[in-house]
Amino acid sequence: KAGVTQTPRYLIKTRGQQVTLSCSPISGHRSVSWYQQTPGQGLQFLFEYFSETQRNKGNFPGRFSGRQFSNSRSEMNVSTLELGDSALYLCASSSLPTIPQETQYFGPGTRLLVL
Amino acid sequence: AQKITQTQPGMFVQEKEAVTLDCTYDTSDQSYGLFWYKQPSSGEMIFLIYQGSYDEQNATEGRYSLNFQKARKSANLVISASQLGDSAMYFCAMREAPWGGNQFYFGTGTSLTVIP
Repeated sequence: KAGVTQTPRYLIKTRGQQVTLSCSPISGHRSVSWYQQTPGQGLQFLFEYFSETQRNKGNFPGRFSGRQFSNSRSEMNVSTLELGDSALYLCASSSLPTIPQETQYFGPGTRLLVL
Repeated sequence: AQKITQTQPGMFVQEKEAVTLDCTYDTSDQSYGLFWYKQPSSGEMIFLIYQGSYDEQNATEGRYSLNFQKARKSANLVISASQLGDSAMYFCAMREAPWGGNQFYFGTGTSLTVIP
């Protein structure tokens, strides 16, 4: 079974631009979560989607948004990029988000550099 | 309060020796899951081991075992017979019951270096 895939793997943008990152979960998984990882802040939860609905959202500004499609693929969008948005963006999927023991499996991440 | 605390920013271990990475957690839920992930320099988070709050036995997966002490709210990872490929960041994480919101809480990580 293929793992979580994320595209692109690397991205360079300039301040003020916007960016869209894509995540394809493991086949059969309907929950997708997004995280931002930076050296200073560590791993921070962005949002989680299940069956095309955002179920939970972290403490990020409205410039960060996401969506999920009927095939469970998810995209996240960052508008008006700032230098501080440079980070590794990780996507994770799980099949049954309603039970605590359900494991999240992560993709390889997208490294975003904002210049 | 921090949900997950990892107090060891960096650890060194000799190859073939065992090492324990500490993790304490904070929750008032009765039902929760505890996880350990490994993150090599490539960036991908690799799932290592899981422990449920109701599991009476400590979880084991190959060279990884989880020393679960519920009363102390600790979930330490033990890596036996360390290998050079074990050098990476290790993150402890917790998922609470669904009504607490479906998100993982991650610690700040421990950087493990295995010395030949």
